[in-house]
Amino acid sequence: DTEVTQTPKHLVMGMTNKKSLKCEQHMGHRAMYWYKQKAKKPPELMFVYSYEKLSINESVPSRFSPECPNSSLLNLHLHALQPEDSALYLCASSQGYRGTDTQYFGPGTRLTVL
Amino acid sequence: DAKTTQPTSMDCAEGRAANLPCNHSTISGNEYVYWYRQIHSQGPQYIIHGLKNNETNEMASLIITEDRKSSTLILPHATLRDTAVYYCIVRVTDSGYALNFGKGTSLLVTP
Repeated sequence: DTEVTQTPKHLVMGMTNKKSLKCEQHMGHRAMYWYKQKAKKPPELMFVYSYEKLSINESVPSRFSPECPNSSLLNLHLHALQPEDSALYLCASSQGYRGTDTQYFGPGTRLTVL
Repeated sequence: DAKTTQPTSMDCAEGRAANLPCNHSTISGNEYVYWYRQIHSQGPQYIIHGLKNNETNEMASLIITEDRKSSTLILPHATLRDTAVYYCIVRVTDSGYALNFGKGTSLLVTP
């Protein structure tokens, strides 16, 4: 089974709201990722967690705050977002972080910031 | 990671083989070729990957040229559900992290 689940599927929030995106995998993978995908663009990496520690932050604004409570869960906390943050947010996981470790993606959360 | 070049779009008739090319002329010896696809508004789906040899799985075949400068993803009997954006990605073997998706090829399978 190569399933990564994400909740919610859709989220609409105002610029003053605080919300969280959730991602879960039960494949025993030790690397988890957040990607952001704007309309008609390819996904772009935001964060990487390896063994529950933040390994990479691709200069993402502090209004996005990732959290990895355990090896199966990955959260993305959102606060004071801007309309330009509206996008598809994708979670992925892989066994490790080597180039030979295949990343498996969830279905994404479609975020709209009003 | 090496850059990849793919056609912007392609058409394929349902039931026929879809052959999607990818150029990666600057690929290094320790870089794998990965293929993903993304059906509209869904998460990217892993298809196949390879280093030197041709590879086949239940979804597709990957043909890598002997000089490794280009590859072709083959969907042997395309269906309407194969309509998607297909991404060819080159990744270093001993470190990975981000998948650099590039622009991909938009494949339209027609009845």
